[in-house]
Formats: sequence, C-alpha cells, structure tokens
Amino acid sequence: AIRMTQSPSSLSASTGDRVTITCRASQGISSYLAWYQQKPGKAPKLLIYAASTLQSGVPSRFSGSGSGTDFTLTISCLQSEDFATYYCQQYYSYPPAFGQGTRLEIK
Amino acid sequence: QLQLQESGPGLVKPSETLSLTCTVSGGSISSSSYYWGWIRQPPGKGLEWIGSIYYSGSTYYNPSLKSRVTISVDTSKNQFSLKLSSVTAADTAVYYCARVIYDAGELGPLDYWGQGTLVTVSS
Repeated sequence: AIRMTQSPSSLSASTGDRVTITCRASQGISSYLAWYQQKPGKAPKLLIYAASTLQSGVPSRFSGSGSGTDFTLTISCLQSEDFATYYCQQYYSYPPAFGQGTRLEIK
Repeated sequence: QLQLQESGPGLVKPSETLSLTCTVSGGSISSSSYYWGWIRQPPGKGLEWIGSIYYSGSTYYNPSLKSRVTISVDTSKNQFSLKLSSVTAADTAVYYCARVIYDAGELGPLDYWGQGTLVTVSS
C-alpha cells in the first residue's frame, strides 16, 4: 500500500501569511492527489484534486502543485477561516490513503 | 444540493457488529459517475478509508479491514450501508459516508461527505 507523509505535522502562522504544506508519497502517484480541509467537529472538505485543480467554490488563495511523489498545498494569504487541519490523499492505487494531517494554528 | 446522512447506533459492544446506513438525498445513488464510500476517523487521529461501493454492487474494501467489512447498496431507498464485525475498542471512531468521483474506470477524490457519526465500542 502507498503511504502518504505530510510535513509539518503542525504549523503556526498569522493572518495574511503565506503557508506551504508538503505531502510525500511512498511511490509515484502521478497527479492522483487531493487535498482536504477539516475543521473541528466537521467533515473534511475537498479543496484540490488532480494535484492542482481547484474544487468549485474554493477560494483562489488555495493552490496545489506537484506530481510523482512530492506535492504541496499553498495558501497565499491566510484568512481566519483557514485555520484547520489539512489532509492529502492519494487515489492512484487501492486502497486510497490519507496523510496524517497538518494542523494549522493561529500564532 | 446533494446531502449524505449517516444513521445507526452510537454504542456497540465489543465482539458485536457495527451497522451504519448512509441516506443520499438531492441526487441518485444509481449515477454511473460515482462510487459511494465509508471513511472513519478515531478521536483525535487521521482518516482511514474503509471501502466503497458502486450502484451495481461492485465493491472495494481496504485490505486491512476486508475480513470484517461488508458494504451493500439499496438503490430503491437511495442508501448504502456498512457492517463491521467483531468490533473492538480500536474501532471507536467517527464514521463518515462520502461520494467518490468515478472517472474512466478509476476511483477519484471524495467530493461530498456526510456530517459523520461517532460510534463508540464499549461494554
């Protein structure tokens, strides 16, 4: 099974900052990667799929890049509503697997 | 607007079978463009894929749970269900149902999720 590793596990930042979260796959997954945002007590929300395609309705300050084994999620100008936990997920091969999550906290 | 809603007991005894149902509204479970999946999240931990099903009944299960999992679909009720047998405390989690994009014969990301339901395994 493919393992997904995110870094950092947690991150402190301020409103207006630019932040980047990294996700690494244990083997190549082409661009079959999604990013999700999860707020406490809520279900995850799809932000990005196919590594860089923004889901409908997601603000353009979110962007994704990468292919193969290394991927990044960037939030260009943090807003208060962006403080949450972020997960990557590969869907290149079965079973689909999630990273362990990156908790984005207010500094 | 598509909505998914999980239902079932919030407390299950060890060694018994966990049973949950996901009711889909605002869209048809019989669409050829989607699978329907179950994902779980132990308290304070990350997400784990349990399995998924097509309206035809075709299933994919996570090998780590395959021996204990059964997912079924009832197209007449626009529902799909999860059964997890021989549960232990390690199966305590929030269980989510979700829609899985299915494109060109491949499973894709999860674009709609239910709100989740906490299932606790305890005597």
